[in-house]
Amino acid sequence: DAKTTQPTSMDCAEGRAANLPCNHSTISGNEYVYWYRQIHSQGPQYIIHGLKNNETNEMASLIITEDRKSSTLILPHATLRDTAVYYCTFGYRDDKIIFGKGTRLHILP
Amino acid sequence: SAVISQKPSRDICQRGTSLTIQCQVDSQVTMMFWYRQQPGQSLTLIATANQGSEATYESGFVIDKFPISRPNLTFSTLTVSNMSPEDSSIYLCSVAGGPANTGELFFGEGSRLTVL
Repeated sequence: DAKTTQPTSMDCAEGRAANLPCNHSTISGNEYVYWYRQIHSQGPQYIIHGLKNNETNEMASLIITEDRKSSTLILPHATLRDTAVYYCTFGYRDDKIIFGKGTRLHILP
Repeated sequence: SAVISQKPSRDICQRGTSLTIQCQVDSQVTMMFWYRQQPGQSLTLIATANQGSEATYESGFVIDKFPISRPNLTFSTLTVSNMSPEDSSIYLCSVAGGPANTGELFFGEGSRLTVL
């Protein structure tokens, strides 16, 4: 089962980059790192995933360390709508995915 | 990405009754996952549902309490049986999708259940 460690909460000023760290030291070589977020009262939303290389999409960037034991999700220009709980997890396709407690990100005006 | 519809979106139920939650996906998927999210908590996996086979339950969840059906590749149901107030939660259906089949999950909006 996946086990990740994330800060309980973080603050970020609106317009600044939000950098959310995650430790996943037990990840196996073929397992992906996935990030999701959950805005209050909504279902979780997939953000981005990666295996070894850094990844970028329209929502965020994902930086994975060379040893793959940790990663950072970057929201380049945070807005108030990015206030949510962010979950980092890992696994392989069709594997069950176990969620940790996540990071509650507050974007401050 | 897969589009997932859940019914009901919310319900208020009496203790001792049962409720069936439906999950409809707009594409055929192999694996479907049911999660529970208790108030203020993270997501907890209840079971994995494969079409044509019995669901696989996580520790702490049993078939008698949470029977699951998976009649085809686009549909599943989760029943919460003999409900108590402790079953008040959001129940979420999810599927692994994505164009490259790399396992990212997509979720329905959840079914918010309140048991009185």
